[in-house]
Amino acid sequence: DVKVTQSSRYLVKRTGEKVFLECVQDMDHENMFWYRQDPGLGLRLIYFSYDVKMKEKGDIPEGYSVSREKKERFSLILESASTNQTSMYLCASSLKNHLDTQYFGPGTRLTVL
Amino acid sequence: AQKVTQAQTEISVVEKEDVTLDCVYETRDTTYYLFWYKQPPSGELVFLIRRNSFDEQNEISGRYSWNFQKSTSSFNFTITASQVVDSAVYFCALMGNNAGNMLTFGGGTRLMVKP
Repeated sequence: DVKVTQSSRYLVKRTGEKVFLECVQDMDHENMFWYRQDPGLGLRLIYFSYDVKMKEKGDIPEGYSVSREKKERFSLILESASTNQTSMYLCASSLKNHLDTQYFGPGTRLTVL
Repeated sequence: AQKVTQAQTEISVVEKEDVTLDCVYETRDTTYYLFWYKQPPSGELVFLIRRNSFDEQNEISGRYSWNFQKSTSSFNFTITASQVVDSAVYFCALMGNNAGNMLTFGGGTRLMVKP
């Protein structure tokens, strides 16, 4: 079974803090994704990575950056957290040629005060 | 540009009722995939189905069935004889061939099944 894990289920941070959200997958998947989920808006893609050290912007990359130093790990970074980044963040992974079959982690609910 | 619309934000039914979740999509691609995901209270999205745009056959899997109508750009999901465990948020999603590898999700429908 594919397993995608995220470092925290719940996180509370203050405005201006630097925040790291970590995602690890154990199935040697090439592709990894970060989404944010907001009520009524569904999931929106922030960034994705199709290989180590490679990244592509999604629909809403502003205010975020990512890091993929190892194949199994994909980090989402909020350089200076703001209250409008309070959301549920979901990580996903997929095999190289199976972009359509993504496996999701349990999500991190981030609250920025 | 791609767009997925789930007009029903919340549906409440009583156990054993049938329920249909609507999904309407927009894309300029001729080749695309459509998906349904379930998000139970635990938070993790669970893949339910993927449908290729060239395959308009309806699909049934146990109590779940999907109706793909290209003429109306709809991909509706029906749960027959609903159960409390079906309570979740359901997302419809679309990936077009030229979408830059991006899944576009609808806003989700929260289904509540009451005993």
